[in-house]
Amino acid sequence: ETGVTQTPRHLVMGMTNKKSLKCEQHLGHNAMYWYKQSAKKPLELMFVYSLEERVENNSVPSRFSPECPNSSHLFLHLHTLQPEDSALYLCASSQVLGGVQPQHFGDGTRLSIL
Amino acid sequence: DQQVKQNSPSLSVQEGRISILNCDYTNSMFDYFLWYKKYPAEGPTFLISISSIKDKNEDGRFTVFLNKSAKHLSLHIVPSQPGDSAVYFCAARIQGAQKLVFGQGTRLTINP
Repeated sequence: ETGVTQTPRHLVMGMTNKKSLKCEQHLGHNAMYWYKQSAKKPLELMFVYSLEERVENNSVPSRFSPECPNSSHLFLHLHTLQPEDSALYLCASSQVLGGVQPQHFGDGTRLSIL
Repeated sequence: DQQVKQNSPSLSVQEGRISILNCDYTNSMFDYFLWYKKYPAEGPTFLISISSIKDKNEDGRFTVFLNKSAKHLSLHIVPSQPGDSAVYFCAARIQGAQKLVFGQGTRLTINP
């Protein structure tokens, strides 16, 4: 496999459930990102990791908890979500943090909160 | 306050003609601009970029123009092809910062 792979592609969960989104990149990149895309809104950056260290948390509620065990894997743990959290969650990676190389995106996880 | 704006939510162009997608920004600290293309059920894919020290960058059918004084960016696609039908996002990077700021996207439809 090449590129950035996200699983699952679709997720439906209740507000009291706990679930995790997974992202894996096979590009040898050192930086990874979580974005949220709500309907008719720009992509919103949630978290940034560089070499497994979180370097940015964009005022994201604590019900979203990221984890980066190594430079190839990124998780987003979800707990007690709200209906307004329903969105497309995109993972991206780039060669280095802050460089001019573009970010490569996965195909996203479409999350629906009941 | 949205720093990167794509004021046209949609654009329809005839096949073979030129497509022009526009993007305006407010932050003069942006030093790098990118265009991404997104098909339904797929993630955005990088298309073309431009540094703030340039005013034009060309790659095949795609050309990006930057007008710093007007804080305006545009993507030209010529000739337009049916496979160009997608949502196009403009993004900008603040000098020295870690993140990209995205516009809302413009849905381009190429009609046969």
